[in-house]
Amino acid sequence: NAGVTQTPKFRILKIGQSMTLQCTQDMNHNYMYWYRQDPGMGLKLIYYSVGAGITDKGEVPNGYNVSRSTTEDFPLRLELAAPSQTSVYFCASSYGNSYEQYFGPGTRLTVT
Amino acid sequence: QQQVKQSPQSLIVQKGGIPIINCAYENTAFDYFPWYQQFPGKGPALLIAIRPDVSEKKEGRFTISFNKSAKQFSLHIMDSQPGDSATYFCAARSGTGNQFYFGTGTSLTVIP
Repeated sequence: NAGVTQTPKFRILKIGQSMTLQCTQDMNHNYMYWYRQDPGMGLKLIYYSVGAGITDKGEVPNGYNVSRSTTEDFPLRLELAAPSQTSVYFCASSYGNSYEQYFGPGTRLTVT
Repeated sequence: QQQVKQSPQSLIVQKGGIPIINCAYENTAFDYFPWYQQFPGKGPALLIAIRPDVSEKKEGRFTISFNKSAKQFSLHIMDSQPGDSATYFCAARSGTGNQFYFGTGTSLTVIP
């Protein structure tokens, strides 16, 4: 049982490039989330999904897109990367609307 | 706008001391208040959580105190150990159960 896995661990992008951050969970959780963590700012919710085919915006969705075609996968797409998207990105999942979220190890993204 | 305000930003205590981390919120629709612990390079992990109709909850050396009328809650770590050195985040879950709002984090250092 690997839990929540994220790839890549690190990435450097040039301004204007695009990329997809991958997230997979093997716990059969229906709820999945994407957060970004910036120093001194805590975690901010970007997008979440309550099940395959259903996604919704969180606090800071601008510049990002998501899709949820399977229960296991919840990729986050960055289009036209900007320096403001330099951050650590965490994917999380939960069973139902449990208050306990399981977090992946994070992806550190730098946009220069 | 920060939905959950957390203080202090950093805290240093001696081994055996009782660090206290405080959080405050405004939205009375929040229905769960979890605390997460994060070690460097790792994702956050759930430590303990409380509902707003409970005034105190203990799990091992960790205690949450909750003051519903003041809209404040705090984490106490009894007999703190160097292994407790980490960043701690308070959070609040929206009444719909779909969104979590995190505090800005407290970096705790326990000196041997």
